[in-house]
Amino acid sequence: KAGVTQTPRYLIKTRGQQVTLSCSPISGHRSVSWYQQTPGQGLQFLFEYFSETQRNKGNFPGRFSGRQFSNSRSEMNVSTLELGDSALYLCASSLSGTGREETQYFGPGTRLLVL
Amino acid sequence: AQSVAQPEDQVNVAEGNPLTVKCTYSVSGNPYLFWYVQYPNRGLQFLLKYITGDNLVKGSYGFEAEFNKSQTSFHLKKPSALVSDSALYFCAVRDITSSASKIIFGSGTRLSIRP
Repeated sequence: KAGVTQTPRYLIKTRGQQVTLSCSPISGHRSVSWYQQTPGQGLQFLFEYFSETQRNKGNFPGRFSGRQFSNSRSEMNVSTLELGDSALYLCASSLSGTGREETQYFGPGTRLLVL
Repeated sequence: AQSVAQPEDQVNVAEGNPLTVKCTYSVSGNPYLFWYVQYPNRGLQFLLKYITGDNLVKGSYGFEAEFNKSQTSFHLKKPSALVSDSALYFCAVRDITSSASKIIFGSGTRLSIRP
């Protein structure tokens, strides 16, 4: 079974631009979560989607948004990029997310550099 | 509010020696606890989890972790370290009594195994 895939793997943008990252969960998984990883802040939760609905949200500004499609694939968008948005963005999927003991499986991440 | 702490930024161990990576948590109810490992330029890989039952949990690559409710700890251990164990390790917690709780990750501990 294929794992979680994320595209693109690497991205360079300039301040003020916007970016869209994509995540395809493991087949059969319906919950997708997004995290931002930086050396200074560690792993920070962005949001979680299940059945095309945002079920949980972290403490990020409104510039960060996401959505989930009917096939469970998810995208996250960052508008008006800032230098501080440079990070590794990780996507994780789980079966349903309703069982709180469920394991999340992570993709390789998208490394975003904002110049 | 739930939180998790990894008090050591870095742990250095000689190959063949036992290793311990520490993790303490705080939740209002009962916890689900997880350990993940991250190799360079990769996403997080699941190692093991504690849900209920036996306090000693065995996981991938010979790792195990012991849940200690009185000390609110979930330390990761391995009897004999390998150079290939060198990586970044994350502890995570989810409060099972909160229906909308998200997984909170620790700041990570870099494990370095010297030959």
